[in-house]
Amino acid sequence: AQSVTQLDSQVPVFEEAPVELRCNYSSSVSVYLFWYVQYPNQGLQLLLKYLSGSTLVESINGFEAEFNKSQTSFHLRKPSVHISDTAEYFCAVSELPYYGGATNKLIFGTGTLLAVQP
Amino acid sequence: EAGVTQFPSHSVIEKGQTVTLRCDPISGHDNLYWYRRVMGKEIKFLLHFVKESKQDESGMPNNRFLAERTGGTYSTLKVQPAELEDSGVYFCASSPEGDNEQFFGPGTRLTVL
Repeated sequence: AQSVTQLDSQVPVFEEAPVELRCNYSSSVSVYLFWYVQYPNQGLQLLLKYLSGSTLVESINGFEAEFNKSQTSFHLRKPSVHISDTAEYFCAVSELPYYGGATNKLIFGTGTLLAVQP
Repeated sequence: EAGVTQFPSHSVIEKGQTVTLRCDPISGHDNLYWYRRVMGKEIKFLLHFVKESKQDESGMPNNRFLAERTGGTYSTLKVQPAELEDSGVYFCASSPEGDNEQFFGPGTRLTVL
């Protein structure tokens, strides 16, 4: 079974400062990795994902995450945050598909609230 | 293209009553998922439909929960009778066949008093 740990429930940061949101996972099989974001009063949106290939993946709004297999981590970083980045961020994993079709259900962490202050 | 929609956005009911949540996936998406977030905890998987068939319902908490997807289009999740611990936000997501990106709806906030 898989599990995802997001140790930081809240991360306060000043505008234009760098930020790192931590995510560690546990799994006995290979997984896909995702970061979802939920802005206030909105649904979850996919921010970025790692499926295979380069271990560093980037989003269109300046976030990046690096898959580290040895440390089973997928931390999310941004070098300079904006007020508009204030949201709750969820790390998630799903099993790689296998013959016969996996369910692709997502296993989520508890979320990290990023609060950007002016 | 319309996204995943859910109805209602909020529901407040009393313990013992019945509530039905509805999810309309993105048109053409065969996969439909239900998730739930209880206050302050992680978002947990409930079940997965492929078209009208239940592919995985391992996350359904008990037999008070009944999910259907007649015709492989929209889905309903009925809670009968509701208990206090059922309170939370219920999310629906959909994805095309063979695609691992799930598109989420805005959620239904259920409060059981």
